Amino acid sequence: EAQVTQNPRYLITVTGKKLTVTCSQNMNHEYMSWYRQDPGLGLRQIYYSMNVEVTDKGDVPEGYKVSRKEKRNFPLILESPSPNQTSLYFCATSAGGRPTDTQYFGPGTRLTVL
Amino acid sequence: GEDVEQSLFLSVREGDSSVINCTYTDSSSTYLYWYKQEPGAGLQLLTYIFSNMDMKQDQRLTVLLNKKDKHLSLRIADTQTGDSAIYFCAERPMGGGFKTIFGAGTRLFVKA
Repeated sequence: EAQVTQNPRYLITVTGKKLTVTCSQNMNHEYMSWYRQDPGLGLRQIYYSMNVEVTDKGDVPEGYKVSRKEKRNFPLILESPSPNQTSLYFCATSAGGRPTDTQYFGPGTRLTVL
Repeated sequence: GEDVEQSLFLSVREGDSSVINCTYTDSSSTYLYWYKQEPGAGLQLLTYIFSNMDMKQDQRLTVLLNKKDKHLSLRIADTQTGDSAIYFCAERPMGGGFKTIFGAGTRLFVKA
């Protein structure tokens, strides 16, 4: 079964404590992306990756890092989380980066930073 | 810059048609998408249309595009309670790289 998995699904943490949200896909997709969803703002792209070792910034990359060492995994790293990073985070993947390539979304990670 | 706007709420009765509207501002050729988000889940692509098309129909879903007014709509015929969700309009301008711009989402309530 085609899947995009995210872990953890829920996380409450404190300001400054480094954390990683993992994203894994089993579809051999080249393109992966991270979004955050905030009320009234829709989804905003944080980072994306076109392939292994190829990443680029989206609209709101400040305070986040990513890595793409393997095709299937695309972790999102918050080195020093702050309360304004409290949000719902989604990982998405697609076969390629073309507009007609369907993006498949993970179930989301709800992060609260106190 | 690019922007996608949607109304936040829509309430309809079961069996009626729902029409969810969206406006976008990008002036170049673009792909426009409709996604559905059910509670506790990620987004699911429903359909998409390229900006040189006027209409696309897929079973109960009809997408209408008014390119002159930059207005996109999603019509759901015979709306069911299972259609209750948040619907996102999104745009991906040609030449904009891998950037997809999402609206804030329209929450559809379907009353039995």
